[in-house]
Amino acid sequence: QKEVEQDPGPLSVPEGAIVSLNCTYSNSAFQYFMWYRQYSRKGPELLMYTYSSGNKEDGRFTAQVDKSSKYISLFIRDSQPSDSATYLCAMSRVAAGNKLTFGGGTRVLVKP
Amino acid sequence: EAGVTQSPTHLIKTRGQQATLRCSPISGHTSVYWYQQALGLGLQFLLWYDEGEERNRGNFPPRFSGRQFPNYSSELNVNALELEDSALYLCASSLGAGQGIWAGGYTFGSGTRLTVV
Repeated sequence: QKEVEQDPGPLSVPEGAIVSLNCTYSNSAFQYFMWYRQYSRKGPELLMYTYSSGNKEDGRFTAQVDKSSKYISLFIRDSQPSDSATYLCAMSRVAAGNKLTFGGGTRVLVKP
Repeated sequence: EAGVTQSPTHLIKTRGQQATLRCSPISGHTSVYWYQQALGLGLQFLLWYDEGEERNRGNFPPRFSGRQFPNYSSELNVNALELEDSALYLCASSLGAGQGIWAGGYTFGSGTRLTVV
């Protein structure tokens, strides 16, 4: 079983809809949680990061962490065709230094 | 501000050969990380260098090695290439472990696509 599980999709939504993404993990030692966006043939780009449990909002993006359930989510409001990409969750344990463990990514397609 | 730069963009090698990939971090970043992104396998952690030293290593064979130079740039070497080494190799940089509170994320380069034939 992988440490971090993420539905590969693809997730197809109409423009303007809310995109809901999530990851589950098995290691309760993870402390830092991140979401990256990766366009085709590009490196991942950091969207959001949170430490421990709670919510964080940045523009159209909201990240949620529920450590008791080992579940993290990313919501994208008012989705745009330019949001079409692969979204990767990532997390790390403080004790492991700065190493990140990634989910496999969810491919999102926002249709005009 | 220049981002993380990787070279070459594409690399084609024959099985058994050696490949050398290069990475220049963002100015001020002392930590460099290497990840392999193979089709269907997601990002797999390879190596972490900080202040010139190897700090952590993923579950890869010893033929994957690297180093970090005094200017914090880094090189990844893959010896005795195998077909399954074909992947996108991503380099990322961040503030180092000794530079205060970890901000929680890396900045990635666009990668080197290695094809082994």
